[in-house]
Amino acid sequence: ILNVEQSPQSLHVQEGDSTNFTCSFPSSNFYALHWYRWETAKSPEALFVMTLNGDEKKKGRISATLNTKEGYSYLYIKGSQPEDSATYLCALLGSSNTGKLIFGQGTTLQVKP
Amino acid sequence: DTEVTQTPKHLVMGMTNKKSLKCEQHMGHRAMYWYKQKAKKPPELMFVYSYEKLSINESVPSRFSPECPNSSLLNLHLHALQPEDSALYLCASSQGDRGFDQPQHFGDGTRLSIL
Repeated sequence: ILNVEQSPQSLHVQEGDSTNFTCSFPSSNFYALHWYRWETAKSPEALFVMTLNGDEKKKGRISATLNTKEGYSYLYIKGSQPEDSATYLCALLGSSNTGKLIFGQGTTLQVKP
Repeated sequence: DTEVTQTPKHLVMGMTNKKSLKCEQHMGHRAMYWYKQKAKKPPELMFVYSYEKLSINESVPSRFSPECPNSSLLNLHLHALQPEDSALYLCASSQGDRGFDQPQHFGDGTRLSIL
C-alpha cells in the first residue's frame, strides 16, 4: 500500500511570513507528484505536476522542489498572504501511471493578517 | 469558476432512492475521475475513465454505478446507499492523451447526505 505523508498537519503564520511544508512518498514507486491547493468551499486547484528529480517549479509566490531519490517534495510560500489560507495537498502518481492519485492528508495553512 | 461542472451541488436521499450525479467538462479532456471525500480526509479515488472506457474501479460497492456516455459527460448512478456513503463526491478531468501525469481539474463537488 502506497503511503503519502505530509507535514505539518496544520500551520498558523502571520501575513508576510514565508513558510514551507513537506510531502514524503515511496521513492521506489514514483511517476509524478501533484500539488493542489484547496480553499474552503471551492474545488481543489492544481498548482504543480512534477516528474523529474531536482525539478523546481514556481507560480507567483509559491514554488516546489522534488527529490525522487529520497522521496520528498517541498512546497514554499514566500511572503504569505491571507488569501493563501487553504489546505495544500500533494498526491503521488505511482510508477504504473494508471491514473490513480494517492493523496496525502494535507497541510492546512492559516495566514493571519 | 471551475471548468468542471457538477450537479446537483447538494443531494439528500433515502436509502431506497435512486439518484444520479452528473459531471461535465468541455476542455476536450479524455480522462475523467470520481472521488469520494469524507470530512477532514483527503479525496479517495473511486473510478477512472480513459477515452470513455472504465480503466480503474477501486473496489467500489455496486450500489455506485459509473457511466461515461460521451467524452464530456460522466455520471454516477446511486442506488440503495448506506448512511456511511454520506460524503462530498468530486469529479475531475485531465487531458489524458499521453498518460496521467497532467494536472487534474476538479469540480466543486456534490454534497451527498443519506438519511
